[in-house]
Formats: sequence, structure tokens, C-alpha cells
Amino acid sequence: SQTIHQWPATLVQPVGSPLSLECTVEGTSNPNLYWYRQAAGRGLQLLFYSVGIGQISSEVPQNLSASRPQDRQFILSSKKLLLSDSGFYLCAWSDGTSLNQPQHFGDGTRLSIL
Amino acid sequence: TQLLEQSPQFLSIQEGENLTVYCNSSSVFSSLQWYRQEPGEGPVLLVTVVTGGEVKKLKRLTFQFGDARKDSSLHITAAQPGDTGLYLCAGVSNDYKLSFGAGTTVTVRA
Repeated sequence: SQTIHQWPATLVQPVGSPLSLECTVEGTSNPNLYWYRQAAGRGLQLLFYSVGIGQISSEVPQNLSASRPQDRQFILSSKKLLLSDSGFYLCAWSDGTSLNQPQHFGDGTRLSIL
Repeated sequence: TQLLEQSPQFLSIQEGENLTVYCNSSSVFSSLQWYRQEPGEGPVLLVTVVTGGEVKKLKRLTFQFGDARKDSSLHITAAQPGDTGLYLCAGVSNDYKLSFGAGTTVTVRA
């Protein structure tokens, strides 16, 4: 069966520090991969998505970047964190072979910027 | 810009009561998905509706997709405390991206 792992679960970082959040998927090949940010108790904002290795689409201008160095690995990064980068970050994967497939989410990373 | 509008934003009811959550959009989607999310976890898919006018039932949950594929509703019959959570609707676009509504926080009191 397919699984998605996201870490760390929580992270407290000072303003101006770098960031690296990692997400890996097991049990599937060539998934579509997504990074979302969620404000407290609210909907999800799509940040990045990827349909293949090295292919990254950015949805909103921001202080973050994403990379997909391997088929089932998706990394969210920043060189210098801002206070506004605080939030709940979710990684997800879906089957890229057909529409209407569900997205499967990791358990998220709670990022607090001090 | 929020493509999907969910209402109400918050809903608090007593165990055994019924509730309905609405999801409306001015855009047409290839399908619409409903997710439930519990605190500290990622959303989990409940259902996908694809055909305009479609009705799907999942035990006490009934999902409807509007004829024009722009709106949907989720109805829960005889709600239980285990139904408590954040309910999110998401429209699926032809490029495999989801557009999420802002969510409805449902609290079912015992």
C-alpha cells in the first residue's frame, strides 16, 4: 500500500533562518506531488506542485521554493524565513494517470517563526 | 481569490441533529471532492462526485453535485461526536490541481 511521510511534525525557527521540509512517498511510481499551506482551521493554499522529477510549478509568489530530486521525494525550502511563513504545511500525492483521483496527505508540519 | 465558497464557516449542533454544509463556485470543475480533517492531521478524502446531479451516500453522509457541476452539498443525518472536524470541499481542474474552499468547522456536542 502507498504511504506518505512528512517531517518534522513541528518546527520552531527564528526569522532569517533557512528551512527544509521533506516529504517522501512509498508504494507508487511517478506520483503528482503537492505542497500546501493551511491557516488555522481554514482551507488549503496550493504552493507548489510537480508532475515529475525536476518539474516544479509555483502557484503563488513567495519566499519559498520546492525541489523534486527523486521521483518520490519533494522538498520545501527557504533561504531566509519570514514571520509570515508561519503555518501548517501539508504535502500530498495523487495518481497522475487520471483525473478525479484523490489526493493523499501527510500529517503536516507545524512551522512557527519567532 | 477563493474559487470555492463554503458555508457556514462554523456549525455547532447537538448529537442526533442533522446538518448541511454547502460549497458554491462560479467555475465548473471536472469533479468535486469532500475531505474531513482532524486537528494536527492531513485531510482525508470522503467522496468524489463527478457527474452533474449525482448523489452519493456514505452511511449517514449524503453528497450532492449540482446539475451544472458548480456547487455541492454535504448532509449528515443524526450527527455523532465522531463527525466533529473540518470539512473541506475541493474542485478538481483539468490540470490535476485542487482548489479548496475555506472549510466548515463542525462540532457535534454529546
